[in-house]
Amino acid sequence: DGGITQSPKYLFRKEGQNVTLSCEQNLNHDAMYWYRQDPGQGLRLIYYSQIVNDFQKGDIAEGYSVSREKKESFPLTVTSAQKNPTAFYLCASSTGAGVQETQYFGPGTRLLVL
Amino acid sequence: SQQGEEDPQALSIQEGENATMNCSYKTSINNLQWYRQNSGRGLVHLILIRSNEREKHSGRLRVTLDTSKKSSSLLITASRAADTASYFCATERNTDKLIFGTGTRLQVFP
Repeated sequence: DGGITQSPKYLFRKEGQNVTLSCEQNLNHDAMYWYRQDPGQGLRLIYYSQIVNDFQKGDIAEGYSVSREKKESFPLTVTSAQKNPTAFYLCASSTGAGVQETQYFGPGTRLLVL
Repeated sequence: SQQGEEDPQALSIQEGENATMNCSYKTSINNLQWYRQNSGRGLVHLILIRSNEREKHSGRLRVTLDTSKKSSSLLITASRAADTASYFCATERNTDKLIFGTGTRLQVFP
């Protein structure tokens, strides 16, 4: 099956700890995105990548880092600098840059702080 | 920054009724998309309407776009309990990113 997967489904972070959220897609998409969603809110863009080995900051990049070493993978690290990390994190992919077409979303990872 | 704003924030209806949600945006667009999100899940794309289109249908969904008013509406006809979800509009920014609105939470009672 083609799709986009995220793991884990739930993640717990201790104070001062870095944690990494996984996002993998087998849709052969060039572009990938990370969003943060707070309760009752819309999606805010953290980082995005249009091609391997390249990524750009979104609206709320502070306290987060990403890498794009492979086309199918776009992991997100929530660093200790992110003081309010509790949220629902969504990864998405699309065919590529240009006029924005459909984005395909993973099932999400819920991050909680202990 | 939010581009699309949905209205109403929440909507409750009975099965069989129609549900209408509206989206307003601020700057010119190439297309507008609607997505659905079930509670605690990822978003699912419903429909894309381009700036040169005024209306588009997909099953029980009908989307309209009025570029002069910078607004769009999503109509779900003959709603079902399974339509209960949050619905988001999204517009592109700088052709490489989407901006999502805050969503309309739809509750359909059996």
